[in-house]
Amino acid sequence: SQQGEEDPQALSIQEGENATMNCSYKTSINNLQWYRQNSGRGLVHLILIRSNEREKHSGRLRVTLDTSKKSSSLLITASRAADTASYFCATSNNAGNMLTFGGGTRLMVKP
Amino acid sequence: NAGVMQNPRHLVRRRGQEARLRCSPMKGHSHVYWYRQLPEEGLKFMVYLQKENIIDESGMPKERFSAEFPKEGPSILRIQQVVRGDSAAYFCASSPPGQARKLFFGSGTQLSVL
Repeated sequence: SQQGEEDPQALSIQEGENATMNCSYKTSINNLQWYRQNSGRGLVHLILIRSNEREKHSGRLRVTLDTSKKSSSLLITASRAADTASYFCATSNNAGNMLTFGGGTRLMVKP
Repeated sequence: NAGVMQNPRHLVRRRGQEARLRCSPMKGHSHVYWYRQLPEEGLKFMVYLQKENIIDESGMPKERFSAEFPKEGPSILRIQQVVRGDSAAYFCASSPPGQARKLFFGSGTQLSVL
């Protein structure tokens, strides 16, 4: 099964609301990353949090990491219609050889 | 600095034909990854290559699939004798050397097998 599993699988909110997506993983990690994918396009890196960090911010994005619970959350504040996309978490193993992606959360922001 | 370039963007093959997918990494990037994505699903790791070396091919089927990243030229993902189940989007990503492997993705090749 996937190393990272996102929750919820789909999320629909109104513009201006906050969107929270969660990710759980199974094994120890070197870092955890969040990516965004617009329909029919490649993934775009959003933010990386290292295993010794607990929280990180980038613009309207806030990521938390709880290594004791093996989970991470991505918060998008004051969402916009343009935030509509799929969001994936990805974990890097300690060797750093590759990223393993979860199944994604499909976010729809209604104007 | 051009991003990761994949071609073709769309590829249609009949069952039994060969599919060749190309990926040119970003300038200065020596690591290439291939992922496969089915509709409404996440990305499944296939293979990780450096120049002239396959580092990890644990996600690639043993038969019909091969990948290379030659000293000169793009990385190639080759699928022989394609079957309908090979229909998917294939994404290539590249990264610079280093522990924190932030990946830069291409726009993908959509393979359709008739």
